[in-house]
Amino acid sequence: AQSVTQLDSHVSVSEGTPVLLRCNYSSSYSPSLFWYVQHPNKGLQLLLKYTSAATLVKGINGFEAEFKKSETSFHLTKPSAHMSDAAEYFCVVTPSGGYQKVTFGTGTKLQVIP
Amino acid sequence: EAGVTQFPSHSVIEKGQTVTLRCDPISGHDNLYWYRRVMGKEIKFLLHFVKESKQDESGMPNNRFLAERTGGTYSTLKVQPAELEDSGVYFCASSQYNPEAFFGQGTRLTVV
Repeated sequence: AQSVTQLDSHVSVSEGTPVLLRCNYSSSYSPSLFWYVQHPNKGLQLLLKYTSAATLVKGINGFEAEFKKSETSFHLTKPSAHMSDAAEYFCVVTPSGGYQKVTFGTGTKLQVIP
Repeated sequence: EAGVTQFPSHSVIEKGQTVTLRCDPISGHDNLYWYRRVMGKEIKFLLHFVKESKQDESGMPNNRFLAERTGGTYSTLKVQPAELEDSGVYFCASSQYNPEAFFGQGTRLTVV
């Protein structure tokens, strides 16, 4: 069985300050982990993915995430928030090597204050 | 290159009616997935096609939901008869090489 918990339903940051979106997972298998973003009225877009290679993963738009097995975490960070980062972010876990039976977190809405 | 396209973007129907959602995957993608997000809940897997075959339909909630993918191209998801709890956003995704998938913008279904 696997599950994913996004610890914050809403995060608010000022433009230019760091972003931290938290994700914890549990999985009976070696997991693959993903972060997706959904802007208003848009589809889900892949930000970055971890598939058992380097534990620090860099994605698009300056985002990165670190896979920490000991803490079962895969937090998403960005050094400096931009107004265009305001969106909803989803942490996703799946057994390594496959895309079936994916498990999504409940999402974190990021608000960026000018 | 065109992305994953879903029709309609919004649908409002009465309880008991039938609704059909359509997903056009990226051309050449063999894998097609359906997901659903009920208001305030997580996004849940519904089913997975490989070409025209149902690889995994364990997430389908009940027999009021019928998914098809004729010819291995576009897919339809029919809800008949619709119930209030079917309201939500239905996402479609396609992929060629797991595990990365590309998502459509979703269909927002409201059953009143």
